[in-house]
Amino acid sequence: QEKVQQSPESLIVPEGAMVSLNCSFSDSASQSIWWYQQHPGKGPKALISIFSNGNKKEGRLTVYLNRASLHVSLHIKDSQPSDSAVYLCAVDTEGADRLTFGKGTQLIIQP
Amino acid sequence: AQTIHQWPVAEIKAVGSPLSLGCTIKGKSSPNLYWYWQATGGTLQQLFYSITVGQVESVVQLNLSASRPKDDQFILSTEKLLLSHSGFYLCAWSLGWGGFAETLYFGSGTRLTVL
Repeated sequence: QEKVQQSPESLIVPEGAMVSLNCSFSDSASQSIWWYQQHPGKGPKALISIFSNGNKKEGRLTVYLNRASLHVSLHIKDSQPSDSAVYLCAVDTEGADRLTFGKGTQLIIQP
Repeated sequence: AQTIHQWPVAEIKAVGSPLSLGCTIKGKSSPNLYWYWQATGGTLQQLFYSITVGQVESVVQLNLSASRPKDDQFILSTEKLLLSHSGFYLCAWSLGWGGFAETLYFGSGTRLTVL
Protein backbone atom coordinates (compact mmCIF):
# COMPACT_ATOMS: atom_id res chain seq x y z
CA GLN A 1 0.00 0.00 0.00
CA GLU A 2 1.22 3.46 -0.90
CA LYS A 3 2.91 5.41 1.89
CA VAL A 4 3.28 9.18 1.73
CA GLN A 5 5.67 10.99 4.07
CA GLN A 6 5.87 14.77 4.34
CA SER A 7 8.54 16.98 5.83
CA PRO A 8 8.96 19.12 7.75
CA GLU A 9 6.00 18.63 10.09
CA SER A 10 5.84 22.36 10.65
CA LEU A 11 7.57 25.43 9.29
CA ILE A 12 7.63 29.08 10.35
CA VAL A 13 9.04 31.62 7.90
CA PRO A 14 8.91 35.43 7.56
CA GLU A 15 6.68 37.04 4.96
CA GLY A 16 8.34 37.22 1.56
CA ALA A 17 10.52 34.15 2.08
CA MET A 18 10.69 31.18 -0.28
CA VAL A 19 9.00 28.11 1.20
CA SER A 20 10.02 24.54 0.35
CA LEU A 21 7.89 21.54 1.31
CA ASN A 22 8.82 17.91 0.74
CA CYS A 23 6.93 14.72 0.05
CA SER A 24 8.21 11.17 -0.43
CA PHE A 25 6.11 8.30 -1.71
CA SER A 26 6.72 4.58 -1.70
CA ASP A 27 5.20 3.16 -4.88
CA SER A 28 6.99 3.62 -8.17
CA ALA A 29 3.67 2.95 -9.93
CA SER A 30 2.42 6.28 -8.66
CA GLN A 31 0.67 8.36 -11.28
CA SER A 32 -0.23 11.95 -10.41
CA ILE A 33 0.94 13.77 -7.30
CA TRP A 34 -1.20 16.54 -5.89
CA TRP A 35 -0.69 19.35 -3.41
CA TYR A 36 -3.69 20.55 -1.41
CA GLN A 37 -3.97 23.49 0.98
CA GLN A 38 -6.15 23.19 4.09
CA HIS A 39 -7.09 26.05 6.39
CA PRO A 40 -8.29 25.25 9.94
CA GLY A 41 -11.81 23.79 10.01
CA LYS A 42 -12.09 23.79 6.21
CA GLY A 43 -11.90 21.22 3.44
CA PRO A 44 -8.67 20.95 1.43
CA LYS A 45 -8.30 22.96 -1.77
CA ALA A 46 -6.30 21.66 -4.73
CA LEU A 47 -3.29 23.83 -5.60
CA ILE A 48 -1.25 22.05 -8.25
CA SER A 49 -0.58 18.57 -9.60
CA ILE A 50 2.23 16.93 -11.56
CA PHE A 51 2.50 13.73 -13.55
CA SER A 52 5.68 13.94 -15.57
CA ASN A 53 9.22 13.99 -14.21
CA GLY A 54 10.54 17.51 -13.97
CA ASN A 55 8.91 20.71 -12.82
CA LYS A 56 5.71 22.63 -13.27
CA LYS A 57 5.08 26.27 -12.44
CA GLU A 58 1.78 28.01 -11.73
CA GLY A 59 1.95 31.57 -10.44
CA ARG A 60 3.97 31.62 -7.20
CA LEU A 61 3.96 27.82 -6.99
CA THR A 62 6.54 25.46 -8.48
CA VAL A 63 6.47 21.70 -8.04
CA TYR A 64 9.39 19.35 -8.77
CA LEU A 65 8.97 15.62 -9.30
CA ASN A 66 11.81 13.11 -9.27
CA ARG A 67 10.39 9.65 -9.98
CA ALA A 68 13.76 7.94 -9.56
CA SER A 69 13.99 9.10 -5.94
CA LEU A 70 10.20 8.95 -5.36
CA HIS A 71 10.24 12.55 -4.22
CA VAL A 72 8.22 15.64 -4.95
CA SER A 73 8.62 19.16 -3.57
CA LEU A 74 6.46 22.27 -3.55
CA HIS A 75 8.02 25.73 -3.54
CA ILE A 76 6.08 28.87 -2.74
CA LYS A 77 7.71 32.11 -3.86
CA ASP A 78 7.17 35.41 -2.07
CA SER A 79 5.17 33.84 0.76
CA GLN A 80 2.27 35.79 2.28
CA PRO A 81 0.42 35.49 5.62
CA SER A 82 -2.59 34.13 3.71
CA ASP A 83 -0.43 31.14 2.70
CA SER A 84 -0.48 30.00 6.33
CA ALA A 85 -2.22 26.62 6.28
CA VAL A 86 -1.59 22.88 6.28
CA TYR A 87 -0.20 21.59 2.98
CA LEU A 88 -1.12 18.04 2.02
CA CYS A 89 0.63 15.86 -0.52
CA ALA A 90 -1.57 13.24 -2.22
CA VAL A 91 -0.55 10.41 -4.51
CA ASP A 92 -2.64 8.54 -7.04
CA THR A 93 -1.23 5.03 -7.57
CA GLU A 94 -1.99 2.91 -10.62
CA GLY A 95 -4.35 0.10 -9.72
CA ALA A 96 -5.24 1.57 -6.34
CA ASP A 97 -8.77 2.45 -5.38
CA ARG A 98 -7.87 5.59 -3.50
CA LEU A 99 -5.87 8.77 -3.36
CA THR A 100 -3.32 8.50 -0.52
CA PHE A 101 -2.61 11.62 1.52
CA GLY A 102 0.36 12.50 3.67
CA LYS A 103 -0.05 13.87 7.17
CA GLY A 104 0.71 17.39 6.04
CA THR A 105 3.06 20.27 6.80
CA GLN A 106 1.81 23.11 9.00
CA LEU A 107 3.07 26.36 7.44
CA ILE A 108 3.03 29.66 9.30
CA ILE A 109 4.03 32.87 7.54
CA GLN A 110 4.91 35.62 9.99
CA PRO A 111 4.10 39.21 8.90
CA ALA B 1 -20.69 27.23 -10.89
CA GLN B 2 -20.63 24.03 -8.89
CA THR B 3 -21.35 24.12 -5.18
CA ILE B 4 -21.02 21.45 -2.52
CA HIS B 5 -22.98 21.61 0.69
CA GLN B 6 -22.38 19.39 3.69
CA TRP B 7 -24.67 18.96 6.67
CA PRO B 8 -24.60 19.24 9.59
CA VAL B 9 -21.64 21.49 10.29
CA ALA B 10 -21.03 19.79 13.63
CA GLU B 11 -22.49 16.96 15.70
CA ILE B 12 -22.03 15.80 19.27
CA LYS B 13 -23.36 12.26 19.68
CA ALA B 14 -23.34 9.50 22.28
CA VAL B 15 -21.60 6.17 21.79
CA GLY B 16 -24.08 3.68 20.37
CA SER B 17 -26.33 6.29 18.79
CA PRO B 18 -27.05 6.43 15.04
CA LEU B 19 -25.50 8.93 12.64
CA SER B 20 -26.38 10.37 9.28
CA LEU B 21 -24.23 12.91 7.43
CA GLY B 22 -25.02 14.27 4.02
CA CYS B 23 -23.73 16.25 1.13
CA THR B 24 -25.26 17.72 -2.00
CA ILE B 25 -23.50 18.83 -5.16
CA LYS B 26 -25.20 21.38 -7.39
CA GLY B 27 -24.24 22.47 -10.87
CA LYS B 28 -22.55 19.27 -12.03
CA SER B 29 -24.23 16.20 -13.40
CA SER B 30 -22.92 12.68 -12.71
CA PRO B 31 -19.92 13.64 -10.57
CA ASN B 32 -17.74 11.10 -8.81
CA LEU B 33 -18.45 11.44 -5.09
CA TYR B 34 -16.20 10.64 -2.12
CA TRP B 35 -16.29 10.49 1.67
CA TYR B 36 -13.08 11.24 3.55
CA TRP B 37 -12.32 11.11 7.26
CA GLN B 38 -9.66 12.91 9.22
CA ALA B 39 -9.06 11.97 12.86
CA THR B 40 -7.73 14.80 15.01
CA GLY B 41 -4.03 15.02 14.20
CA GLY B 42 -4.39 12.19 11.71
CA THR B 43 -4.16 11.63 7.99
CA LEU B 44 -7.00 12.24 5.56
CA GLN B 45 -8.39 8.83 4.61
CA GLN B 46 -10.74 7.96 1.80
CA LEU B 47 -13.72 5.95 3.10
CA PHE B 48 -16.05 5.51 0.12
CA TYR B 49 -16.43 6.55 -3.47
CA SER B 50 -19.31 6.45 -5.91
CA ILE B 51 -19.26 6.74 -9.69
CA THR B 52 -22.99 6.48 -10.26
CA VAL B 53 -26.33 6.54 -8.48
CA GLY B 54 -26.92 3.48 -6.33
CA GLN B 55 -23.32 2.24 -6.50
CA VAL B 56 -20.85 2.81 -3.66
CA GLU B 57 -17.41 1.27 -3.17
CA SER B 58 -15.92 0.90 0.29
CA VAL B 59 -12.23 1.71 0.66
CA VAL B 60 -11.66 1.66 4.42
CA GLN B 61 -13.79 -0.30 6.88
CA LEU B 62 -14.79 1.82 9.86
CA ASN B 63 -18.23 0.30 10.62
CA LEU B 64 -19.77 3.00 8.46
CA SER B 65 -21.90 2.78 5.35
CA ALA B 66 -22.58 5.13 2.47
CA SER B 67 -25.34 5.52 -0.07
CA ARG B 68 -25.99 7.60 -3.15
CA PRO B 69 -29.79 7.88 -3.45
CA LYS B 70 -29.66 10.65 -6.06
CA ASP B 71 -27.11 11.80 -8.63
CA ASP B 72 -26.27 14.86 -6.53
CA GLN B 73 -26.51 13.40 -3.02
CA PHE B 74 -24.16 11.28 -0.90
CA ILE B 75 -25.04 10.00 2.58
CA LEU B 76 -22.74 8.58 5.27
CA SER B 77 -24.33 6.67 8.12
CA THR B 78 -24.02 4.14 10.89
CA GLU B 79 -26.48 2.59 13.32
CA LYS B 80 -24.06 2.56 16.24
CA LEU B 81 -21.36 5.15 16.79
CA LEU B 82 -18.01 4.26 18.38
CA LEU B 83 -15.63 6.62 20.13
CA SER B 84 -13.20 6.01 17.26
CA HIS B 85 -15.65 7.61 14.81
CA SER B 86 -14.84 11.07 16.14
CA GLY B 87 -13.15 13.35 13.65
CA PHE B 88 -13.70 15.54 10.62
CA TYR B 89 -15.77 14.11 7.78
CA LEU B 90 -15.38 15.57 4.33
CA CYS B 91 -17.42 15.03 1.20
CA ALA B 92 -15.74 15.65 -2.15
CA TRP B 93 -16.53 15.47 -5.83
CA SER B 94 -14.58 15.19 -9.06
CA LEU B 95 -15.43 15.48 -12.74
CA GLY B 96 -15.82 11.76 -13.21
CA TRP B 97 -13.71 10.96 -16.25
CA GLY B 98 -10.15 10.43 -15.01
CA GLY B 99 -10.51 8.06 -12.09
CA PHE B 100 -8.52 9.13 -9.08
CA ALA B 101 -6.19 11.32 -11.09
CA GLU B 102 -8.58 14.23 -10.95
CA THR B 103 -8.93 17.40 -8.92
CA LEU B 104 -11.01 16.80 -5.81
CA TYR B 105 -13.36 19.57 -4.69
CA PHE B 106 -14.06 19.30 -0.98
CA GLY B 107 -16.95 20.51 1.11
CA SER B 108 -16.46 22.40 4.36
CA GLY B 109 -16.78 19.25 6.43
CA THR B 110 -18.68 17.98 9.48
CA ARG B 111 -16.96 17.92 12.85
CA LEU B 112 -18.18 14.82 14.74
CA THR B 113 -17.56 14.35 18.47
CA VAL B 114 -18.59 11.03 19.98
CA LEU B 115 -18.85 10.97 23.79
